[in-house]
Amino acid sequence: EAQVTQNPRYLITVTGKKLTVTCSQNMNHEYMSWYRQDPGLGLRQIYYSMNVEVTDKGDVPEGYKVSRKEKRNFPLILESPSPNQTSLYFCASSPGRTISTYEQYFGPGTRLTVT
Amino acid sequence: AQSVTQPDIHITVSEGASLELRCNYSYGATPYLFWYVQSPGQGLQLLLKYFSGDTLVQGIKGFEAEFKRSQSSFNLRKPSVHWSDAAEYFCAVGRISNFGNEKLTFGTGTRLTIIP
Repeated sequence: EAQVTQNPRYLITVTGKKLTVTCSQNMNHEYMSWYRQDPGLGLRQIYYSMNVEVTDKGDVPEGYKVSRKEKRNFPLILESPSPNQTSLYFCASSPGRTISTYEQYFGPGTRLTVT
Repeated sequence: AQSVTQPDIHITVSEGASLELRCNYSYGATPYLFWYVQSPGQGLQLLLKYFSGDTLVQGIKGFEAEFKRSQSSFNLRKPSVHWSDAAEYFCAVGRISNFGNEKLTFGTGTRLTIIP
């Protein structure tokens, strides 16, 4: 089944404890992206990747890191999480680099709470 | 700066009634416009998209949207809603970033409640 998977789905952590949220897609998509969703703010893009070893900042990159060493994986790293990073996170992938042309496929989301 | 506005935070509609969700955008060039739906506890799913051509776009699940350049709008419609349409709906505009890459800007969403 074609899908985007994220792990973990739920995570509660403490301020400053490094964490990684994994994202994997099995559709051989070139484009991958991370979003955070907050009430009243909609979805905001954190980072995106046009291809392996090619990443760029989205609208809210502060406090996050990403890497794209393999085409299928695009982990999101929080080196020192803070409470303002409590949010619902979505990973998405798209078959082409022009996301305006191609549909993005979203994962099920990861709910992160930082205390 | 590019932006997307969904003026209705929450809409309640009776099952079987018609639906219109509003979306206004601000973008200098010809926009790429999308509507996504998020069912409770799920990720987002594309309903429909507009790039060019016919301004009335048909999507999945019986939805349609009309692009009106003069009003900078891309409203989503459905003639008769079903209880399964209860979800959150997001309008989005595709835009060119400073680096020439294409990015999506989402609106803040409209939550749709269906009553019997």
